Amino acid sequence: NAGVTQTPKFRVLKTGQSMTLLCAQDMNHEYMYWYRQDPGMGLRLIHYSVGEGTTAKGEVPDGYNVSRLKKQNFLLGLESAAPSQTSVYFCASSPGTGGYGYTFGSGTRLTVV
Amino acid sequence: GENVEQHPSTLSVQEGDSAVIKCTYSDSASNYFPWYKQELGKGPQLIIDIRSNVGEKKDQRIAVTLNKTAKHFSLHITETQPEDSAVYFCAASRLVPISNFGNEKLTFGTGTRLTIIP
Repeated sequence: NAGVTQTPKFRVLKTGQSMTLLCAQDMNHEYMYWYRQDPGMGLRLIHYSVGEGTTAKGEVPDGYNVSRLKKQNFLLGLESAAPSQTSVYFCASSPGTGGYGYTFGSGTRLTVV
Repeated sequence: GENVEQHPSTLSVQEGDSAVIKCTYSDSASNYFPWYKQELGKGPQLIIDIRSNVGEKKDQRIAVTLNKTAKHFSLHITETQPEDSAVYFCAASRLVPISNFGNEKLTFGTGTRLTIIP
């Protein structure tokens, strides 16, 4: 039972480079989320999806894009990385919103130099 | 939107003593309050949650209390052990039916780093 799997676990990018973070869940959850975690800032929602083919903006969406082509996968893209995007990124999934605990992945530590 | 404040940001307690972390929320319609534990290098993990029709919930050494009138809820850890050292997050949201594809997402507090001193 893998739960939520994130790849890669670590990545160093140069400013201006692009990359995609992959999140995969095997629990048949409808909802998926991307968060970033910075010291003293807690967890901030970047984008989320309420089902296959849907995406919506969260609290801090600028500089990121997402896609949910398959129910089990949620991709987070950085088109032109900036040092301000240095962070730890977490993916999560849930059966629905409200009253359902989220299952988080183990995170991706991204450094933009 | 919902705003969740969490205190303290850091907490150190002697092993065996109790630890209490407090959160306040702003949206009176919020009625689901989970707590997450994040160990070093890992993602947050749900440890306990409470719904607004319940004032207190207990699971072995951890308990959560809710005061809807004051809009605050707390995590209590008794007989603390070294493995309780972690960052703890509170969160709040509204309860909605699974068929209602609304945007009632969890709003997280900023976290409390708990250190258990042997």
